[in-house]
Amino acid sequence: EVQLLESGGGLVQPGGSLRLSCAASGFTFSTYVMTWVRQAPGKGLEWVSGITGGGANTYYANSVKGRFTISRDDSKNTLYLQMNSLRAEDTAVYYCVKGGWADVWGQGTTVTVSS
Amino acid sequence: DVVMTQSPLSLPVTLGQPASISCRSNQSLVKSDGNTYLNWVQQRPGQSPRRLIHMVSTRDSGVPDRFSGSGSATDFTLKISRVEAEDVGVYYCMQSTHWPPLTFGGGTKVEIK
Repeated sequence: EVQLLESGGGLVQPGGSLRLSCAASGFTFSTYVMTWVRQAPGKGLEWVSGITGGGANTYYANSVKGRFTISRDDSKNTLYLQMNSLRAEDTAVYYCVKGGWADVWGQGTTVTVSS
Repeated sequence: DVVMTQSPLSLPVTLGQPASISCRSNQSLVKSDGNTYLNWVQQRPGQSPRRLIHMVSTRDSGVPDRFSGSGSATDFTLKISRVEAEDVGVYYCMQSTHWPPLTFGGGTKVEIK
């Protein structure tokens, strides 16, 4: 069974940093594009970042470019999102998503940016 | 980026009655390989999203056959033939033809009258 398990969310002050992790299982992780999608409270879904299989190429939404870094460790079947210079508007549930077609979603991890 | 526009915003439906959600893109979603990567995602209250349909009309594993997708190029529809209580939630269309980025419609909230 394909599973994605996010962790690393929490409460952080504006300007702070967090690193999210997503542990994947049940598929050949290294061969898949992986994606982060977020959902602010009461809002819709917003694509944040994506990374190709093997990590050669990374992509970011304009809203996070220069502040967030996506990476992966294929030996550990784990996806990461390093979030720096966090702002109140980054408050959201962050979902790890398998593939460019978004066929499997994790349960999400909550990030709250507040003083 | 491709803009996805859904309607209606809210859809009250009587149990057992059909429901239909429209999704339009501001450019064609036909990829150079000839496929159209338009997907539908369901988010039940308090749950994470789940993909229901991919490539316009192919249901994902375990999705009941009362859900169907149709459309082409820039105009797409999700239909529920007979709404059940478990279908309550928000439905999003999502394109992955012009990735990156994935782009989503604003969502349609399906509720029971």
